Amino acid sequence: SAVISQKPSRDICQRGTSLTIQCQVDSQVTMMFWYRQQPGQSLTLIATANQGSEATYESGFVIDKFPISRPNLTFSTLTVSNMSPEDSSIYLCSVDLQGSPYEQYFGPGTRLTVT
Amino acid sequence: AQSVTQLGSHVSVSEGALVLLRCNYSSSVPPYLFWYVQYPNQGLQLLLKYTSAATLVKGINGFEAEFKKSETSFHLTKPSAHMSDAAEYFCAVRGATGGGNKLTFGTGTQLKVEL
Repeated sequence: SAVISQKPSRDICQRGTSLTIQCQVDSQVTMMFWYRQQPGQSLTLIATANQGSEATYESGFVIDKFPISRPNLTFSTLTVSNMSPEDSSIYLCSVDLQGSPYEQYFGPGTRLTVT
Repeated sequence: AQSVTQLGSHVSVSEGALVLLRCNYSSSVPPYLFWYVQYPNQGLQLLLKYTSAATLVKGINGFEAEFKKSETSFHLTKPSAHMSDAAEYFCAVRGATGGGNKLTFGTGTQLKVEL
């Protein structure tokens, strides 16, 4: 398995501002993923972040709203830009471990409230 | 395309009773199937996975699931519920080939365990 940490664990932000969420893994991984979990709902994939290439966004998510960085094999950031109350969600990062391509391990999530 | 359907958004059982959480999948390729659990204010934890080996899969905390291709099902069971099992459970699928990196989640089932 992998130990995944996220910062911040929660935040309350004002509309129109931006928040950058950090995801740190204790081992090198090729693929990292960012998910959104809106209140009372399931998880939706935002984008896949591979080190050394541009992130791949899912339908309905755009880079201007959710820019992602992946500077190395253990770290990634997701920025939620120009926030509105509809962005209030839990944001989770996950990883595929090298040598274990079938399962994803998840971080504890960042609980974001936009007022 | 691949998807999972979880029947019952809320399930309530008595402590010591059988737990049965239902999941049906749809996939055009051989699927990999997963059950995750999410405790309040926490990230997702992998309970068990099916990756085309044994059809009866045992996971952590006494849970198991059986892959039934004829019924396109992957129901989660536990013989005797414990209060600590109260959580939200997500079934998920990813394809073995072609876009197989994407993990698609069901809508989740909230399990309540009563005395």
